[in-house]
Amino acid sequence: GESVGLHLPTLSVQEGDNSIINCAYSNSASDYFIWYKQESGKGPQFIIDIRSNMDKRQGQRVTVLLNKTVKHLSLQIAATQPGDSAVYFCAENFGGEYGNKLVFGAGTILRVKS
Amino acid sequence: DGGITQSPKYLFRKEGQNVTLSCEQNLNHDAMYWYRQDPGQGLRLIYYSQIVNDFQKGDIAEGYSVSREKKESFPLTVTSAQKNPTAFYLCASSKLAGGTVSPLHFGNGTRLTVT
Repeated sequence: GESVGLHLPTLSVQEGDNSIINCAYSNSASDYFIWYKQESGKGPQFIIDIRSNMDKRQGQRVTVLLNKTVKHLSLQIAATQPGDSAVYFCAENFGGEYGNKLVFGAGTILRVKS
Repeated sequence: DGGITQSPKYLFRKEGQNVTLSCEQNLNHDAMYWYRQDPGQGLRLIYYSQIVNDFQKGDIAEGYSVSREKKESFPLTVTSAQKNPTAFYLCASSKLAGGTVSPLHFGNGTRLTVT
């Protein structure tokens, strides 16, 4: 989800469990969404994307779900591993009158316990 | 390997000095971007460029300047006019395919500390 101030929401999961990270986006006209993973001291790494004409997309161990009715995006990670520990954030593309403008959420910290 | 290289990784400057952050890409991407990341906040767009010798202001361009003399390079200068320059700066690039947006590929950032 979105953060408030300096503190990001944190999700702690046990290794091997599934993780679900949520994101509420702001613009009902957004037409494209991306999930990124950012490890400490590194740049964001692309995980998966989805266009607004879809409601689900699967990758390797990851699934993105899009619910346009409530403007909600989620990232599901199957069989979470210690290497999945990072900050995850979503981005929405403000299309239409904005041209193409990516707006980023602040992120959610995922901590994987061994 | 194709990618985006930002240098240096850490940069320290005294207040009042201009400083230039380097960004080079070998992905043959047309578009390049500079973002600023502060703790607990989403990435904020400083400048972007879709073609050589052209660039546009983002949401927080004040106190920054850029140039795009080559397709591969998009350096960012943080000037003394930037009131709060200490931050993590990220460079990104993307393909341009008509009006279709595509994912941004990011470098590993430069952490700038101004004292």
